[in-house]
Amino acid sequence: GAVVSQHPSWVICKSGTSVKIECRSLDFQATTMFWYRQFPKQSLMLMATSNEGSKATYEQGVEKDKFLINHASLTLSTLTVTSAHPEDSSFYICSPWEGGRDTDTQYFGPGTRLTVL
Amino acid sequence: AQSVTQLDSHVSVSEGTPVLLRCNYSSSYSPSLFWYVQHPNKGLQLLLKYTSAATLVKGINGFEAEFKKSETSFHLTKPSAHMSDAAEYFCVVTHGSGNTGKLIFGQGTTLQVKP
Repeated sequence: GAVVSQHPSWVICKSGTSVKIECRSLDFQATTMFWYRQFPKQSLMLMATSNEGSKATYEQGVEKDKFLINHASLTLSTLTVTSAHPEDSSFYICSPWEGGRDTDTQYFGPGTRLTVL
Repeated sequence: AQSVTQLDSHVSVSEGTPVLLRCNYSSSYSPSLFWYVQHPNKGLQLLLKYTSAATLVKGINGFEAEFKKSETSFHLTKPSAHMSDAAEYFCVVTHGSGNTGKLIFGQGTTLQVKP
């Protein structure tokens, strides 16, 4: 299967700081990137969808000014949590998708665990 | 609108006994359905998928699931549980019509396997 990497795998930061999470699709070109958030003992919730070179589309209830998504290339997307607060502590998972692929070949990154103190 | 409901948040079985994880879905379209497994601190792994072909789907590690349109169900089963099966399992449905790559996840079922 395809290789997807996320960096960092875990991060602890102080409240009010910003954190950048990188997601790379190492062996295919991701025209679309999905970012999910998973709170402890809960399911994955889609946060936003970004297409390469375009602005991201955010799901209802997700603040676009707080969660900045950059999808400047077909192999790299970043999620920046700005002015992080303890309630932003979560597991963030990226899912790159090559348009035209079957959904059954959708891949997921290993996730980034963010803890905001 | 599409939705998926996993009927059990937690299932506990003994090693060597059958596993049943229940999932019901709702979709206005002909959905594709999946089961993913998530081991602690690991990424999601696809167990199996249904995409309008055979209704009985066989996946990896001895898991299988049956798509029952009349019951809007897609339950996951395994004849004999292994300790290594202990993990979080997600039933997933495609969002909307067409192939957009967007998925809707169920709430998850934690499978505990006792020795």
